Amino acid sequence: AQSVTQPDIHITVSEGASLELRCNYSYGATPYLFWYVQSPGQGLQLLLKYFSGDTLVQGIKGFEAEFKRSQSSFNLRKPSVHWSDAAEYFCAVALSNFGNEKLTFGTGTRLTIIP
Amino acid sequence: GAGVSQTPSNKVTEKGKYVELRCDPISGHTALYWYRQSLGQGPEFLIYFQGTGAADDSGLPNDRFFAVRPEGSVSTLKIQRTERGDSAVYLCASSSDSHNEQFFGPGTRLTVL
Repeated sequence: AQSVTQPDIHITVSEGASLELRCNYSYGATPYLFWYVQSPGQGLQLLLKYFSGDTLVQGIKGFEAEFKRSQSSFNLRKPSVHWSDAAEYFCAVALSNFGNEKLTFGTGTRLTIIP
Repeated sequence: GAGVSQTPSNKVTEKGKYVELRCDPISGHTALYWYRQSLGQGPEFLIYFQGTGAADDSGLPNDRFFAVRPEGSVSTLKIQRTERGDSAVYLCASSSDSHNEQFFGPGTRLTVL
């Protein structure tokens, strides 16, 4: 079965600094990869997704992620964080995008922004 | 509606009671998912509906959990004989056939005393 690891439980970043959130997956083939953000009291919102093609994908709110097959990673990055980026971030995988497939989530990384 | 809605937003019940959680998906979305998110964890898959039928219920933890979607739109997650370990946020998501993007509702926070 596929699994997702987010090794950082909590990250603190200064406003304006760059950000990288790590995600590693375990699966025999290339899964379909997602990053979601969850703000307090809000539902999960999709930031970006990777199915195939260009391994660097752009998302909403200035986020990007890079798929690295050799490292089984799909790290999320942002060049300059804003105070409003404080939230919980989840990496997720799905087996296929043909039809609808359940998502397997990591345990999340909580992002704190300091002034 | 504009997004996925879930009711109630909060539910407090006593151990052993029966509860129902409702999900209204985005209009026209044929796929509907239920997930459970325990404190400090990521969401865990429970069940997936394609139309009216449960296409995958492998995530339901035991036979106390059951879900229906009789008309292919609204879904209800039913939990019998609730236990304290059932306390969590229950999330619903829907998607259309042409995408795998799942749109999530705000969740129902269930507390079993």
